[in-house]
Amino acid sequence: GAVVSQHPSRVICKSGTSVKIECRSLDFQATTMFWYRQFPKKSLMLMATSNEGSKATYEQGVEKDKFLINHASLTLSTLTVTSAHPEDSSFYICSAEEASSGTDTQYFGPGTRLTVL
Amino acid sequence: QKEVEQDPGPLSVPEGAIVSLNCTYSNSAFQYFMWYRQYSRKGPELLMYTYSSGNKEDGRFTAQVDKSSKYISLFIRDSQPSDSATYLCAMKNNAGKSTFGDGTTLTVKP
Repeated sequence: GAVVSQHPSRVICKSGTSVKIECRSLDFQATTMFWYRQFPKKSLMLMATSNEGSKATYEQGVEKDKFLINHASLTLSTLTVTSAHPEDSSFYICSAEEASSGTDTQYFGPGTRLTVL
Repeated sequence: QKEVEQDPGPLSVPEGAIVSLNCTYSNSAFQYFMWYRQYSRKGPELLMYTYSSGNKEDGRFTAQVDKSSKYISLFIRDSQPSDSATYLCAMKNNAGKSTFGDGTTLTVKP
């Protein structure tokens, strides 16, 4: 099956710093990638939809200046949490849609656990 | 009211039991239905994908969709301890946006 990787898997940072998370589709091209946030024992909350070569579409309530998304190629999207604060601590998961599959199936990365001190 | 409601659980069953996981939805625009399995501290893994009413079987897993009742189910036969995880239902409209249930945590005891 299609594989999506995320890096780093875990990051601890000080309040006020910026953190970049990478999402890569390893064996397929993804025209669309999604970024989710997941709180403990809760479902996935869609933050934004990222299309290669264009600006990301953010969900209501998600600050685009705080969560910067870049989808520079068909295999890479990045999420940068700028000036992180403790309330940004969460599990961030990306997914990539396989463009050629015909079913628009989403494949998820393993997630990145962010802890802001 | 949430667009997708998932039986909250948690569920605890003995090894070998048949497990039934269920979701209901209110938005008739949903056309695609998925089930994901998520182990602790990992990303969700796609288990089943379907877009029509009826049953779809894959090994020990059967996905059932009833569009008229806006109800989907995932059945797991001969459940194993390795099936212990959180199961998420998800539904997608034609615009490609997916909405997820809150998940049901399953524990299969040996």
